[in-house]
Amino acid sequence: DTAVSQTPKYLVTQMGNDKSIKCEQNLGHDTMYWYKQDSKKFLKIMFSYNNKELIINETVPNRFSPKSPDKAHLNLHINSLELGDSAVYFCASSRMVGAQETQYFGPGTRLLVL
Amino acid sequence: GQNIDQPTEMTATEGAIVQINCTYQTSGFNGLFWYQQHAGEAPTFLSYNVLDGLEEKGRFSSFLSRSKGYSYLLLKELQMKDSASYLCAVRDPLDYKLSFGAGTTVTVRA
Repeated sequence: DTAVSQTPKYLVTQMGNDKSIKCEQNLGHDTMYWYKQDSKKFLKIMFSYNNKELIINETVPNRFSPKSPDKAHLNLHINSLELGDSAVYFCASSRMVGAQETQYFGPGTRLLVL
Repeated sequence: GQNIDQPTEMTATEGAIVQINCTYQTSGFNGLFWYQQHAGEAPTFLSYNVLDGLEEKGRFSSFLSRSKGYSYLLLKELQMKDSASYLCAVRDPLDYKLSFGAGTTVTVRA
């Protein structure tokens, strides 16, 4: 069974559209994250949720809205897509915040905005 | 702010040893992680250091010196499958956020 899964794996869309990416983890973890990895391979945190509560909200345009319906799911909705949103978006989870807890990453969603 | 530096690329021969350095200047420190990322795949956890010294895990070892803001990842007996990007990440003690370096692409040649 896949520990952290994301859908879709690939997403090609037009500028101005609204799209959602879904993430699910079956590890029983309390904390989930969204990262963006740009063309230069820089991995940057966007959001983090712990027990469905937002705990990290980096300087991200408010066109990006995360939603955590339960501990096992963290979705990312993007409004009015722009060319610069093209990147790979990784979801990750960890058992708890802090300590030695490592983060487990999903396979990534490759978003291309045309 | 967080500043994490690692070399962009390294090349080594199969069977050799490669050392990837990471220096950091961060507002706080709560551990340093190394991740491996193969092209087109997700990062996977390799090692974690929070105290000074060397942590060994099979062919991979990671070292930390907190006073110097320095870590390295040592890959021994290199195999072709070790060709990947290696990401250094520092965790913030206040919000436990991971800040990543840009990654070091290691190419292993026969």
